[in-house]
Amino acid sequence: TQLLEQSPQFLSIQEGENLTVYCNSSSVFSSLQWYRQEPGEGPVLLVTVVTGGEVKKLKRLTFQFGDARKDSSLHITAAQPGDTGLYLCAGGPVPNFGNEKLTFGTGTRLTIIP
Amino acid sequence: DVKVTQSSRYLVKRTGEKVFLECVQDMDHENMFWYRQDPGLGLRLIYFSYDVKMKEKGDIPEGYSVSREKKERFSLILESASTNQTSMYLCASSSGRGGGVSYNEQFFGPGTRLTVL
Repeated sequence: TQLLEQSPQFLSIQEGENLTVYCNSSSVFSSLQWYRQEPGEGPVLLVTVVTGGEVKKLKRLTFQFGDARKDSSLHITAAQPGDTGLYLCAGGPVPNFGNEKLTFGTGTRLTIIP
Repeated sequence: DVKVTQSSRYLVKRTGEKVFLECVQDMDHENMFWYRQDPGLGLRLIYFSYDVKMKEKGDIPEGYSVSREKKERFSLILESASTNQTSMYLCASSSGRGGGVSYNEQFFGPGTRLTVL
């Protein structure tokens, strides 16, 4: 059974601070996706990283896939209240034929205090 | 944009009732999924389907069944609702065509918050 552990589980910081959220596993994944979920809504896909060592940026958010494709990080620069939400990572299976399920992480609940 | 819709945002049912949760996607996706989300337990997969009339059990299928008669529609059925099925239910779909990493990207509906009394 593949598991994805996210840390920290909860994070509350002041507006303007930087933060990093981690997603770790002992398993290799074909891809790693990050989702953000706001209260009362479904998760929304932010980014997919597919190559070991890959870095992608989405405005103030930087996503990195570990070299061995077992872990990932999400760094937010100058956090804003709009970044508040539940962040979920999800790993794609190996091998990947397109009809398999994802492995979802345990989630990090982020609160940005104005 | 991919759109996944769920039949109800909020639903209140009584113990023993048969409950139908409907999900529709408009992007011709092959794969559809039903999850439940509970505080402290994360997102748990109930069932998924990779083709019409095909279904696979997820991690917690007990007490649930599914139906996929048309490609765009995936229904979750609670045969006899119980209080421990009170939860947020999320439907998702993914393209799934031909493999490749982007085909696993899942698009979620807004969720149905089900309360069983």
